[in-house]
This record gives sequence, C-alpha cells and structure tokens, in this order.
Amino acid sequence: EVQLLESGGGLVQPGGSLRLSCAASGFTFSSYAMSWVRQAPGKGLEWVSGISGTGGTTYYTDSVKGRFTISRDNSKDTLYLQMHRLRAEDTAIYYCVKERGYNHFFDYWGQGTLVTVSS
Amino acid sequence: QTVVTQEPSFSVSPGGTVTLTCGLSSGSVSTSYYPSWYQQTPGQAPRTLIYSTNTRSSGVPDRFSGSILGNKAALTITGAQADDESDYYCVLYLGSGLWVFGGGTKLTVL
Repeated sequence: EVQLLESGGGLVQPGGSLRLSCAASGFTFSSYAMSWVRQAPGKGLEWVSGISGTGGTTYYTDSVKGRFTISRDNSKDTLYLQMHRLRAEDTAIYYCVKERGYNHFFDYWGQGTLVTVSS
Repeated sequence: QTVVTQEPSFSVSPGGTVTLTCGLSSGSVSTSYYPSWYQQTPGQAPRTLIYSTNTRSSGVPDRFSGSILGNKAALTITGAQADDESDYYCVLYLGSGLWVFGGGTKLTVL
C-alpha cells in the first residue's frame, strides 16, 4: 500500500524558513517523480514544485522560484521542501504527491501538513 | 501565464447528469495536456478520479467519465449521488515538469 506521510509544518514568522519532509513507502521511490501541491485556506489547489526520480531535475512555479528548494533522498525514501523567505501568502496545507510519469497525473496524495506564516 | 478555467460552482439534482469543464484562458485543451480530475471533500486530501483525459482511476465508479468537449476537457457525472457533493479540480500537464490546476468547481447535489 502506497503511503505518503508529510511532516515539518508549523507556525513561522514572515521571512522565516521551514523544511517539510515526506516519508514514502509501498513503492519504489526512486522510480517516480514527486511533487508538492499546496492549498491555501478556503482556496484551490496549486502545484508548487516537482522533482525527477533521480533528483537531477527540479521544477518550480514562478511564485516560489528562488525561495523554495525541492530535494529527495532516495536512500531514505524521503522527499523534502526547503522553504525560505516565507510570506503570508505561502500559508497553506502542503501535500506530497506521487506522479505517474507516463500518463502524467498524480496518483497518490499524502494527508498534508499545514504551514502558517504569521507574526 | 497559463490559466486553467473551471466553473466556480454547479448544481445537480440527485440522479441527474452534470458536466464540469476545464479550459484554457487562451487556446484549447487537448489530450496532449493529459487532463486529469480530482475530487476533494472538506478536510480531506484530493482523490484521483480520471487521468489521461478519460481513464478512470482504480475504484472510481463508472458514473464518472472524462472526455474532450470542443476545446475543453470535461468531467461528466451520470446519475449523481449525494456523496458526489465535493470540490472538483482539473490539472493540465504543460510539459517540462510543469503543471497547472484549475480553480476548482464546487458541486452541490440537491
């Protein structure tokens, strides 16, 4: 059974940093691209960042480029999102998502971790 | 900037049929965008319904179907049930590892 378990969310001040983690199990982690998708309170879903199975290629939505870094440790089956210079508009639930590459869709979602940026 | 459009809200009667759409602010949605659809109820993570335009994810009832209608991707629910009342999101794959979600449609069954 595929499981994605996010952690690391919490309350942080504007301008601060936070690192999210996602522990994956139930599949060959290194074989799949992964993404982070967020959802601000009462709002829709927004794709934030993605990474190839090897970790060699990364992708970002424009609003987080230069502030967020996605990475993975395939020896630990873990995905990360390092977030710097956080803004109030980054407040959201962050979901770890597994991609099904050849059909280009998100086949498994974690339960999410809440990041709140507030003073 | 690519903007994906969805109806903000829709209403359907129990047993009725409803079609939700997913378009582009400029241009047409085609199968090359691999449109996929997700259902989300309050407080829950999204659930995958449809991928590659018209393929149902495992365990999804056959009352859910996907297609291309005109220049948009479409999600049709045939014989709507009360527990279909949810938010529905489409996402398009833009290529080069980039994705964009639509704003979502809040479906009411009443």
